[in-house]
Amino acid sequence: DQQVKQNSPSLSVQEGRISILNCDYTNSMFDYFLWYKKYPAEGPTFLISISSIKDKNEDGRFTVFLNKSAKHLSLHIVPSQPGDSAVYFCAARTTMKTSYDKVIFGPGTSLSVIP
Amino acid sequence: DGGITQSPKYLFRKEGQNVTLSCEQNLNHDAMYWYRQDPGQGLRLIYYSQIVNDFQKGDIAEGYSVSREKKESFPLTVTSAQKNPTAFYLCASSFQGNQPQHFGDGTRLSIL
Repeated sequence: DQQVKQNSPSLSVQEGRISILNCDYTNSMFDYFLWYKKYPAEGPTFLISISSIKDKNEDGRFTVFLNKSAKHLSLHIVPSQPGDSAVYFCAARTTMKTSYDKVIFGPGTSLSVIP
Repeated sequence: DGGITQSPKYLFRKEGQNVTLSCEQNLNHDAMYWYRQDPGQGLRLIYYSQIVNDFQKGDIAEGYSVSREKKESFPLTVTSAQKNPTAFYLCASSFQGNQPQHFGDGTRLSIL
């Protein structure tokens, strides 16, 4: 039973256009969300995060939107560049527990930015 | 340069053999983690350690063992009890609390 879902295994976008990667979660206890980017044969690298007290967080070309009522978040990349071609993982955790609670990763979406 | 080093990059195991994957970090992180990635799936947690000399099972710990004798090192042993060991293994580390994890470049394990 996947608690973090990324229903699009792949996405293709023209260079310069907007890329929108979607993520849904089922656990209402999740209150901290992260996006990681992964190139082939490398480990994931942290991209951007958002706490549930916010509905938007922006860092340069990357913006994450959180809709708590829908249990949905999205990552927007504007403008998309060929170097953005990678697998993007959505991840979630709860920070409310006093002991460590693990991060749950989605299956990933492979983004291809076409020059 | 600070970072996480996993070795080897590729590893082959014979049936019935134990193998150990190395993970070393010089980021002064307290917490370390081992994940397994299979095609079409997210990263699944095998073991994690919040402090030296202490570690906890993750979701798929059966057939694996770890040790955390030093803050910098968190080796993972894939034992012969792990019936489907072929996968991409990722090690990560982080500071305590609400901090993102930093990942190594992974080890790909295959069965001969």
